[in-house]
Amino acid sequence: TQLLEQSPQFLSIQEGENLTVYCNSSSVFSSLQWYRQEPGEGPVLLVTVVTGGEVKKLKRLTFQFGDARKDSSLHITAAQPGDTGLYLCAGGDGGSQGNLIFGKGTKLSVKP
Amino acid sequence: DAGVIQSPRHEVTEMGQEVTLRCKPISGHDYLFWYRQTMMRGLELLIYFNNNVPIDDSGMPEDRFSAKMPNASFSTLKIQPSEPRDSAVYFCASSFLYYGYTFGSGTRLTVV
Repeated sequence: TQLLEQSPQFLSIQEGENLTVYCNSSSVFSSLQWYRQEPGEGPVLLVTVVTGGEVKKLKRLTFQFGDARKDSSLHITAAQPGDTGLYLCAGGDGGSQGNLIFGKGTKLSVKP
Repeated sequence: DAGVIQSPRHEVTEMGQEVTLRCKPISGHDYLFWYRQTMMRGLELLIYFNNNVPIDDSGMPEDRFSAKMPNASFSTLKIQPSEPRDSAVYFCASSFLYYGYTFGSGTRLTVV
């Protein structure tokens, strides 16, 4: 069974700090997606990474896919209260759409 | 596009009653997914459809759960009879090929 472990589970920081959250697996994924979920809403796709070693930037967010395609990280620079939410990673095996496995997420709180 | 539309947003029902959750996917998307989210287990895939055909329902907890997709613009998830352990947030998501999922806002189900 493929599993995605996310760490830390909870993170509370002050506005302006930097942070990194991690997504790890013992399995190889053909692609990995990151979502952000705000309270009372569904997850919203932030980025998809497909190549080992790939780095993508989205304003203050930097996403990296591990060389072996088993892990990924999300780095946020100068966090803002608007970054607060649950960050989910999801891995696909390149096969059927239904094989998108979600981690349990990192709950981030950014205090002003 | 209005996005993925789910109804109702909240449902409170008594144990033993039938519950029907509804979903309208994004027009043109060929995949539809039903997920359940709890604090303990995170996001769990229940069932998914491709071009209105159920592909994998191995995540459906038991025979009390059923899902249909009679056409490309509508899907239902039914629980009969409902039990307190079914209490969760149920999400519908749709996608076109493998370009990331668009989630609805979810239905928060409480079975008392």
